[in-house]
Amino acid sequence: KQEVTQIPAALSVPEGENLVLNCSFTDSAIYNLQWFRQDPGKGLTSLLLIQSSQREQTSGRLNASLDKSSGRSTLYIAASQPGDSATYLCAVPHYGGSQGNLIFGKGTKLSVKP
Amino acid sequence: NAGVTQTPKFQVLKTGQSMTLQCAQDMNHNSMYWYRQDPGMGLRLIYYSASEGTTDKGEVPNGYNVSRLNKREFSLRLESAAPSQTSVYFCASSEAFVGNTEAFFGQGTRLTVV
Repeated sequence: KQEVTQIPAALSVPEGENLVLNCSFTDSAIYNLQWFRQDPGKGLTSLLLIQSSQREQTSGRLNASLDKSSGRSTLYIAASQPGDSATYLCAVPHYGGSQGNLIFGKGTKLSVKP
Repeated sequence: NAGVTQTPKFQVLKTGQSMTLQCAQDMNHNSMYWYRQDPGMGLRLIYYSASEGTTDKGEVPNGYNVSRLNKREFSLRLESAAPSQTSVYFCASSEAFVGNTEAFFGQGTRLTVV
């Protein structure tokens, strides 16, 4: 059964710092991996989708990497800002059971201090 | 650019009452999903509709029914609400089933059953 883990559960950094969020998954046979951002009391905003054939995907100050063989993905945030404070979730699709079932990690709550 | 719209945003129900959560997307997506988010449990799939005219159970379907009214709309019904159904409900859509394409989420419905 696919399991997705995100460590740490919470992270606090000063503004301007570069940081890395980690996501690991137990079954390396994934189709893709998606990173989301969730602000308190809000929905999920898609940040990056990285296909299994890709190693990296970039959007602005965000860079996601994927290493299928080791079951890991990282989300790199450059020059962090207070507006980056949110919970970051990673998710992979589940196969073999319900199609369309995204398996989510429990998220990393990021706080960027001014 | 509305994306995925959910109504209502908040709802309080008494045990045994029924209600329907509405979801509509304007991105011409084929697939739609209902998730619930609970503290410590993360996001879990309730039901999904891979394409118009089809619906399937997800991980936690008990106590719920769904209707794919047309390509745009996918509703979730609680026939007899229970306190265990207190949660935040998210509707999502994707161009195809999630394994192929990016998923987009609504802002959520916060439901309390007393």
